[in-house]
Amino acid sequence: AQKITQTQPGMFVQEKEAVTLDCTYDTSDPSYGLFWYKQPSSGEMIFLIYQGSYDQQNATEGRYSLNFQKARKSANLVISASQLGDSAMYFCAMRPLTDSWGKLQFGAGTQVVVTP
Amino acid sequence: GAVVSQHPSWVICKSGTSVKIECRSLDFQATTMFWYRQFPKQSLMLMATSNEGSKATYEQGVEKDKFLINHASLTLSTLTVTSAHPEDSSFYICSARWGRQGTAGYTFGSGTRLTVV
Repeated sequence: AQKITQTQPGMFVQEKEAVTLDCTYDTSDPSYGLFWYKQPSSGEMIFLIYQGSYDQQNATEGRYSLNFQKARKSANLVISASQLGDSAMYFCAMRPLTDSWGKLQFGAGTQVVVTP
Repeated sequence: GAVVSQHPSWVICKSGTSVKIECRSLDFQATTMFWYRQFPKQSLMLMATSNEGSKATYEQGVEKDKFLINHASLTLSTLTVTSAHPEDSSFYICSARWGRQGTAGYTFGSGTRLTVV
């Protein structure tokens, strides 16, 4: 069975500062994909970034980067130059590529509040 | 691209009535649709997985007779909460999988906030 752990229930970060959101996972599958989603108070799930388990380089998407440490089974999200609009719930998710259904398993989430 | 439209965005219903939530993929064919339930300040809990033209597969503990899922076409999946009760009040969100196995992505609907009174 797979398990996603986000140990930080909530974080405050000052505007323009960088923030790292922790995510560790546990899986026996050799191939998997890791996702980060942002969920603002309105409820929609916004895709941020994806990392494949065999990707050689850490994924980056604008202000988002993923610090992927495969041996440690961690996939931390780094948000650089935080903005007030970054205040939201952030979820780490994993999909084992051997699962034909393609189910995503989500972590508990981290609530981020960006302060002026 | 890859937009999923979910309706209604919120609904209030009386206890004992049924509510239908629709998710439509607007610009792609969603062969697989996932339905989640989310309580405040909690994570998404997968309820069921549906493939077009076949019966949904429910997660353990989810009552299939209460949460009816129909995936009749490649662009439409519906979740019907039958005989709703206050404990069914929650945020329901669908997600469609697109792309092939190794490169599949997921698009989420905007969610439905259900309140049963």
